Amino acid sequence: DIQMTQSPSSVSASVGDRVTLTCRASQGVSNWLAWYQQKPGKAPRLLIYGASNLQSEVPSRFSGSGSGTDFTLTISSLQPEDFATYYCQQAKSFPPTFGQGTRLEIK
Amino acid sequence: QVHLQQSGPGLVKPSQTLSLTCVISGDRVSSSGAAWNWIRQSTSRGLEWLGRTFHRSQWYYEYAVSVKGRITISPDSSKNQFSLQLKSVTPEDTAVYYCAREGVGATNPFDFWGQGTLVTVSS
Repeated sequence: DIQMTQSPSSVSASVGDRVTLTCRASQGVSNWLAWYQQKPGKAPRLLIYGASNLQSEVPSRFSGSGSGTDFTLTISSLQPEDFATYYCQQAKSFPPTFGQGTRLEIK
Repeated sequence: QVHLQQSGPGLVKPSQTLSLTCVISGDRVSSSGAAWNWIRQSTSRGLEWLGRTFHRSQWYYEYAVSVKGRITISPDSSKNQFSLQLKSVTPEDTAVYYCAREGVGATNPFDFWGQGTLVTVSS
């Protein structure tokens, strides 16, 4: 199975900050990479697919980049509703696998 | 807009069978543009994909190695739903279980999710 490693495991930031989260795959996944946001007690919500495509109704302050093994999710100006846990997921190779998550906390 | 509504018991005894159902609205379980998945989440295992079913002139089923032999995913076109059965459960199967649609053709993200069901395995 492809291992997905996210860093950092947690990060503290303030409203208005620019934040970049990282995801690394143990093997190349081309652009078959998605990012999800999860809030406590809720299901994950798709933010980015195909490494850089913004899902419908997701604010444009979210952006994704990368290809192969290294990917980033950037939030350009943090809003209060963005404090959550973020997961990456690869769909290139069977089975689909998720990273362990990055928890974004308020500083 | 696709909506997935889960149902099923929140408490299952060890060695028994966990059964959950996911009712689909806004799409068809037999759609050739989607696959229908079960994913679980626990503190110890994180987000873990369990299996999926999809229809491409016939039904296909794919399962994670970790649960193969214990898992069955069954589509029901007449009710537009799919179900999960996990046999011989142990406390390690305690988790929040999600159903999710996989949109085929755009790098296959899980674009719609059910609300989640916390299933506790305990006597």
